[in-house]
Amino acid sequence: KNQVEQSPQSLIILEGKNCTLQCNYTVSPFSNLRWYKQDTGRGPVSLTIMTFSENTKSNRRYTATLDADTKQSSLHITASQLSDSASYICVVNRGDTGTASKLTFGTGTRLQVTL
Amino acid sequence: NAGVTQTPKFQVLKTGQSMTLQCAQDMNHNSMYWYRQDPGMGLRLIYYSASEGTTDKGEVPNGYNVSRLNKREFSLRLESAAPSQTSVYFCASRSGNSPDYEQFFGPGTRLTVL
Repeated sequence: KNQVEQSPQSLIILEGKNCTLQCNYTVSPFSNLRWYKQDTGRGPVSLTIMTFSENTKSNRRYTATLDADTKQSSLHITASQLSDSASYICVVNRGDTGTASKLTFGTGTRLQVTL
Repeated sequence: NAGVTQTPKFQVLKTGQSMTLQCAQDMNHNSMYWYRQDPGMGLRLIYYSASEGTTDKGEVPNGYNVSRLNKREFSLRLESAAPSQTSVYFCASRSGNSPDYEQFFGPGTRLTVL
């Protein structure tokens, strides 16, 4: 069964600290993996996309990693800010060219950054 | 450039009532999608439209209908609302069907069915 599991379910950290969110997937075949950020009451916004051949990609304070062999991805947030408080959703595309019906969404990690 | 817009933002219905959720995008995207988001679950695809004039069922289409009115607009209709349809509904659009293309999401409609 195609699944995307994220951990932890929720996380509270102090401002300025780092954190790492995990995503494990059983989706096959694999096309790419995206991390989305979803602020409360808003729609998800893409942070980064990882393809099969990419191991690491950075976008400002966000660094995503992908291990296609173990089917794991992580999102590392450096020097967290209050504005990082949001849900982070891992989405795996299991198709070649095709429709959105091939996207599998994780349930998300809810991150709260406090003073 | 507003991106993807949805109306209304909030709605409360009684069981059996009908309503239409509106979605529009100004990015000239070909593909549009409707998802629902429930607590403890990932977003699930209800219906999608790969291009103007076409619509297809997603993972959870029962109880819903859609209309791709034109390239910009894609509406979702609940003919007879049920409490199980209480959810947050997101519309999204994408320029094409390549898996590399990003989906852009609207702000969502929070629907409660009593």
